[in-house]
Amino acid sequence: SQTIHQWPATLVQPVGSPLSLECTVEGTSNPNLYWYRQAAGRGLQLLFYSVGIGQISSEVPQNLSASRPQDRQFILSSKKLLLSDSGFYLCAWSVLATGTGSYGYTFGSGTRLTVV
Amino acid sequence: AQSVTQPDIHITVSEGASLELRCNYSYGATPYLFWYVQSPGQGLQLLLKYFSGDTLVQGIKGFEAEFKRSQSSFNLRKPSVHWSDAAEYFCAVGLYNNNDMRFGAGTRLTVKP
Repeated sequence: SQTIHQWPATLVQPVGSPLSLECTVEGTSNPNLYWYRQAAGRGLQLLFYSVGIGQISSEVPQNLSASRPQDRQFILSSKKLLLSDSGFYLCAWSVLATGTGSYGYTFGSGTRLTVV
Repeated sequence: AQSVTQPDIHITVSEGASLELRCNYSYGATPYLFWYVQSPGQGLQLLLKYFSGDTLVQGIKGFEAEFKRSQSSFNLRKPSVHWSDAAEYFCAVGLYNNNDMRFGAGTRLTVKP
């Protein structure tokens, strides 16, 4: 069965420090991978998505970057965190079902990042 | 581009009362439609989805949703709400054979005892 792992669950980092959040998927191949952010009381904001190794699309300009070094690994990074980077970060994956074109997103359990 | 609107930011219902959460989409073709639920501090869980066929879709936890093409809507319903249903609910829209989904802003559900 397919599973998605996201860590750490919570993180408190000082302003100006680096960031690395990791997401890995098991049980599927060549998934689309996504990073979303939720600010407090707000909806989902798509940050990055990837359709393959080394292929990253950025939805909004910001202090963050993403990388996909392996098929089922997606990493969210920052060189210097800002206070405004605080939020709840979610990783997700999806795969198109052959023939039906159907799909759905499966989400990780999220990382609560607090920048102090 | 497709978009989805959830008009209600926050809804409060009493336990045992019926629930309807609204979702409207904007797209020229028939979209794929989804409802997700998010408990506090958790990831999103798929409640149900509509791809084709019967426009009344049954999901988990006793939820259902009805696709109404004429109204461009996909409202989520539950006949009797339980306290454990308190959560954030997200509607999402996608395209056939293109797994690039767009999410609504979410509706926060509070359940009164």
